[in-house]
Amino acid sequence: GAGVSQSPRYKVTKRGQDVALRCDPISGHVSLYWYRQALGQGPEFLTYFNYEAQQDKSGLPNDRFSAERPEGSISTLTIQRTEQRDSAMYRCASSSQRGIATNEKLFFGSGTQLSVL
Amino acid sequence: LAKTTQPISMDSYEGQEVNITCSHNNIATNDYITWYQQFPSQGPRFIIQGYKTKVTNEVASLFIPADRKSSTLSLPRVSLSDTAVYYCLVGDNFNKFYFGSGTKLNVKP
Repeated sequence: GAGVSQSPRYKVTKRGQDVALRCDPISGHVSLYWYRQALGQGPEFLTYFNYEAQQDKSGLPNDRFSAERPEGSISTLTIQRTEQRDSAMYRCASSSQRGIATNEKLFFGSGTQLSVL
Repeated sequence: LAKTTQPISMDSYEGQEVNITCSHNNIATNDYITWYQQFPSQGPRFIIQGYKTKVTNEVASLFIPADRKSSTLSLPRVSLSDTAVYYCLVGDNFNKFYFGSGTKLNVKP
């Protein structure tokens, strides 16, 4: 596609429910990143993929969070048993590089605003 | 970890040149310096990247001194639409692009 697409744009869920957030990167982009952004703060790294391989998941807050990119394109970030503290903007970014280059340029989607009631 | 330090906020007026300086004392030899711009309700957008000396594009200029321990983003003749948060990032394989809180630029009429 022309840009990074994320869905849904907004997600409201009740505490304890599972949610799945989707990211469709720019076509052909090798690397895919997930970030979480709280209001007034910069994006906080969660995890990233090169093709289908999850290279780093050190930013995932706990084991309720997981991500996959099975075919090296679309990715899903899943949060199980959601808690109110999970409420935030979740952003996806993609890059044409392999995630190890220091001159990488990230292209971000519009994000999914998650609200846990 | 090659983290960065930049002012929390800056004010300017339309038509002025704005310079935002970022400190990155622990920058590694292979690290590039990248700046992103973020408007409310949007994701960050790449604006400029450099390794040393000066880089200029249609949006901004980036000045990097010889020791590379800092960099300055220069926005010529800002307009109200330049009001945004500006993030300075240093490529770091272990840090995965630490954004920090950025610099909130407020352009006044």
